[in-house]
Amino acid sequence: AQRVTQPEKLLSVFKGAPVELKCNYSYSGSPELFWYVQYSRQRLQLLLRHISRESIKGFTADLNKGETSFHLKKPFAQEEDSAMYYCARYNFNKFYFGSGTKLNVKP
Amino acid sequence: NAGVTQTPKFQVLKTGQSMTLQCAQDMNHEYMSWYRQDPGMGLRLIHYSVGAGITDQGEVPNGYNVSRSTTEDFPLRLLSAAPSQTSVYFCASSSSYNSPLHFGNGTRLTVT
Repeated sequence: AQRVTQPEKLLSVFKGAPVELKCNYSYSGSPELFWYVQYSRQRLQLLLRHISRESIKGFTADLNKGETSFHLKKPFAQEEDSAMYYCARYNFNKFYFGSGTKLNVKP
Repeated sequence: NAGVTQTPKFQVLKTGQSMTLQCAQDMNHEYMSWYRQDPGMGLRLIHYSVGAGITDQGEVPNGYNVSRSTTEDFPLRLLSAAPSQTSVYFCASSSSYNSPLHFGNGTRLTVT
């Protein structure tokens, strides 16, 4: 079964602190991985995907095949980063989502 | 472009009632999909479609039917609603199978 695991339901950090949202996936070939974000009262939207290797809003995510992880990182969290974050994997026409991590950035 | 439009935004049903959740997109996307979002479980795929006339099951298809008669529309039907189907439902589309998903605003469904 395809599994995407986000072990933290809630992550609270202070503004300016580094943040890392964890994501692990079950191994199967070459994964296609994404991070989606849902800000309060907004629809789910793509934050970044691993094949783009880009930084969006200061966030980066590196695919580690050895650890089957795709953790989302930002060196200095901002209050506007508070949101629900979902890690997702695409495999054979299906997207599999993790259970989500709520990031709360405190002033 | 309106993107992905879902209707209604809220719905309350009684056990055994039927209803259709509507989803439409104006981006000419081939891939469309339905998810349910439950606390602590993230989003789970119900059904998906890779093009008009083609649908397939996702992780949790039981109790739901779909059809894809046009590229734009992908309705989700609940034939006999059950309390276990109380959830927030999201429709999403993408330009190709593994391209990023564009989501609708969701439908909050309560079955009593």
